[in-house]
Amino acid sequence: EAGVTQFPSHSVIEKGQTVTLRCDPISGHDNLYWYRRVMGKEIKFLLHFVKESKQDESGMPNNRFLAERTGGTYSTLKVQPAELEDSGVYFCASSLSARGPNTEAFFGQGTRLTVV
Amino acid sequence: AQKITQTQPGMFVQEKEAVTLDCTYDTSDQSYGLFWYKQPSSGEMIFLIYQGSYDEQNATEGRYSLNFQKARKSANLVISASQLGDSAMYFCAMKSGGFKTIFGAGTRLFVKA
Repeated sequence: EAGVTQFPSHSVIEKGQTVTLRCDPISGHDNLYWYRRVMGKEIKFLLHFVKESKQDESGMPNNRFLAERTGGTYSTLKVQPAELEDSGVYFCASSLSARGPNTEAFFGQGTRLTVV
Repeated sequence: AQKITQTQPGMFVQEKEAVTLDCTYDTSDQSYGLFWYKQPSSGEMIFLIYQGSYDEQNATEGRYSLNFQKARKSANLVISASQLGDSAMYFCAMKSGGFKTIFGAGTRLFVKA
């Protein structure tokens, strides 16, 4: 069974440009999450999809970030326009079960975004 | 507020020895789950071990065990017989009530030959 995959693994863009990150969750996982780790800081929750619907987007930093999950399959996270402070590693995760403390999320390898 | 605290930014351990990575948490929820993830240099996040708040016994998975002390709100990870491949970043995490997982700042473990 394929795990969570993210593309690209690395991205270097200039300030003001647009970048789109993609996440393919584990097949059959309705729950998809985006997290971000800025250098030296803890991993922060960005948002959560249940199928194609945004369940919780309380962690999205500002309106330069737009996440979509068309058809409830893969998800994209677009940053437009990118700023220097957006640099970090963006993780995607998916889980099968609904609400509950005993359901671990399976993570992708992350996309390292560098804005210069 | 929910919070995970990892006070050790970096740890060194000699190969074949055991090491304990500290984690304390704060939550007002009665039902919660505690997780440890490993992040090697390749970047992926690997799930290691899970402990439920109502579990009476400490979780174990191979060389990994979780020293769960509920009254002290601690969930330390113990790695026995350390191997060179254990060198990585380790994150303690908690999930309670809702869907999202919160993470600590991480501890970087260095295993010396």
